[in-house]
Amino acid sequence: DGGITQSPKYLFRKEGQNVTLSCEQNLNHDAMYWYRQDPGQGLRLIYYSQIVNDFQKGDIAEGYSVSREKKESFPLTVTSAQKNPTAFYLCASRKDREAFFGQGTRLTVV
Amino acid sequence: QKEVEQNSGPLSVPEGAIASLNCTYSDRGSQSFFWYRQYSGKSPELIMFIYSNGDKEDGRFTAQLNKASQYVSLLIRDSQPSDSATYLCAVNGAGNNRKLIWGLGTSLGVNP
Repeated sequence: DGGITQSPKYLFRKEGQNVTLSCEQNLNHDAMYWYRQDPGQGLRLIYYSQIVNDFQKGDIAEGYSVSREKKESFPLTVTSAQKNPTAFYLCASRKDREAFFGQGTRLTVV
Repeated sequence: QKEVEQNSGPLSVPEGAIASLNCTYSDRGSQSFFWYRQYSGKSPELIMFIYSNGDKEDGRFTAQLNKASQYVSLLIRDSQPSDSATYLCAVNGAGNNRKLIWGLGTSLGVNP
């Protein structure tokens, strides 16, 4: 089955740690996106990539980093510089117009 | 700043009624319009898209687009309790910009 897989579903991070969220797609989509969603809030764009080896900052990129070494993969690293990382993180991909989402990763700082 | 606005709700309708959700956008050059449904704690799911002025129907859902007035709406006929969710409106501009602009969503509750 084609789709977008995010892992893990739940992630706990200690203060000062970097953590990496995985996003893999087998839909042959060119564009991939990372969003953050806080309770009662809309989707805020962190980073996006339209092609392999290229990516752009979104609206809230500070404290995050990404890579796009393969078409299928777009991992997001939440660094210790991100002061309030507790949120629901969503990865999406697009080929033409419609975007499709993975199941999300819920990150909690402990 | 390109914006997409939705009433936050909550919108409450009785089971079997028509639910009407509205969205306005600021970028007159916008070309593509999407409605996503998001259940609590889950990721958004695409339920409708529309690219041309007028109505587009898919089962109980109808999307309506009016580019002159810069609004897009979603009608849900014969609303069911399972339709209770937050509905997100997303808009894509013209050109090579592949970013979607998102509304904050409208919370819909369907009462049995």
